[in-house]
Amino acid sequence: NAGVMQNPRHLVRRRGQEARLRCSPVKGHSHVYWYRQLPEEGLKFMVYLQKENIIDESGMPKERFSAEFPKEGPSILRIQQVVRGDSAAYFCASTGTVDTDTQYFGPGTRLTVL
Amino acid sequence: GNSVTQMEGPVTLSEEAFLTINCTYTATGYPSLFWYVQYPGEGLQLLLKATKADDKGSNKGFEATYRKETTSFHLEKGSVQVSDSAVYFCALTGFQKLVFGTGTRLLVSP
Repeated sequence: NAGVMQNPRHLVRRRGQEARLRCSPVKGHSHVYWYRQLPEEGLKFMVYLQKENIIDESGMPKERFSAEFPKEGPSILRIQQVVRGDSAAYFCASTGTVDTDTQYFGPGTRLTVL
Repeated sequence: GNSVTQMEGPVTLSEEAFLTINCTYTATGYPSLFWYVQYPGEGLQLLLKATKADDKGSNKGFEATYRKETTSFHLEKGSVQVSDSAVYFCALTGFQKLVFGTGTRLLVSP
């Protein structure tokens, strides 16, 4: 019974490159959330998606960041033209349709921008 | 808006000591409340939850009671172990997203 899967676990990019972070939710879950954790801080909400729909992107930076959750395949968080301030741990969580309150987290992707 | 405040760490205890990590919240409506634990280099694991006033969540010896009158959800454990060393996050749900406190690092020495 696989939990939330994220890959890669570690990603190193140079300034100006693109970063793509992938998240496969718990089997049967159709709600995905992305959170960002800056060093020594708590997690901050970025975006909430259902299949093929962005429900709430109020926590996403206005530029360079985008997210999708296609009908088939994992959810993708994309960061274009990365800057040093994007270095953080990015966590994905998912919920099902019954207990929509409880979010199950993946292991995270730790992005380092050189 | 919704917010969570938890005590700053680190909290340093000896094995078998009693643990309390304070958490208070501000929210509209009646959110569900959670404690998550993060071990070094790992993601968050759900530790316990409570969905309504006076509910007590419990797991692995940890407990927390949803106190509406004091807007609190303090985490307690009667006897900590070295393996409990981790960062603990209090959180609430609001509009389908989690709002987290800043986390409290617990260090337990033998």
